[in-house]
Amino acid sequence: AQSVTQLDSQVPVFEEAPVELRCNYSSSVSVYLFWYVQYPNQGLQLLLKYLSGSTLVKGINGFEAEFNKSQTSFHLRKPSVHISDTAEYFCAVSVLTQGGSEKLVFGKGTKLTVNP
Amino acid sequence: DSGVTQTPKHLITATGQRVTLRCSPRSGDLSVYWYQQSLDQGLQFLIQYYNGEERAKGNILERFSAQQFPDLHSELNLSSLELGDSALYFCASSESGYSNQPQHFGDGTRLSIL
Repeated sequence: AQSVTQLDSQVPVFEEAPVELRCNYSSSVSVYLFWYVQYPNQGLQLLLKYLSGSTLVKGINGFEAEFNKSQTSFHLRKPSVHISDTAEYFCAVSVLTQGGSEKLVFGKGTKLTVNP
Repeated sequence: DSGVTQTPKHLITATGQRVTLRCSPRSGDLSVYWYQQSLDQGLQFLIQYYNGEERAKGNILERFSAQQFPDLHSELNLSSLELGDSALYFCASSESGYSNQPQHFGDGTRLSIL
């Protein structure tokens, strides 16, 4: 079964520090991987996605992620965070359902808190 | 602004009742998804529609049903409500419904069961 594990439920960092949010997935087939961000009282917004090709994916707001097939990981990074990056971040992987269609499976989320 | 509109934003009702949540997808998107977000279960996929037809089903209870209308808006019906149904319900849309496309999320409907 396909699953997504976000290893840290909460990550506190200071402003301008680097951050890495970890995501591991379990799969034996090709996957599409996504990171979404949820700001308070809002829906999810796509940060970046990996479909194929270069394993380093750049997204919005200065975030990037690296797809590592051998380690089944898709960690999200930002070299210098801002207060405005405080939000919850979700890793997601697309999976095939029993009926042959596709759906997104989300991790439990990581709450990033950026402190001044 | 994602372009996806969900109404109402908040809904408070009692156990045993029935409610309808409404979603208007982003202009041009043919596929609609419904998700439930709760503290204990996280974000769970419920059901997907594409151009009026059901395409994929997730962890949707039998008490819940959905449909997508010819104008592409969608409704999620929740009946015989229980305390555990209290959650944030999100609608998302995408252009064709394939998983390599990003989903655009609405701001959600917060359902509180008293």
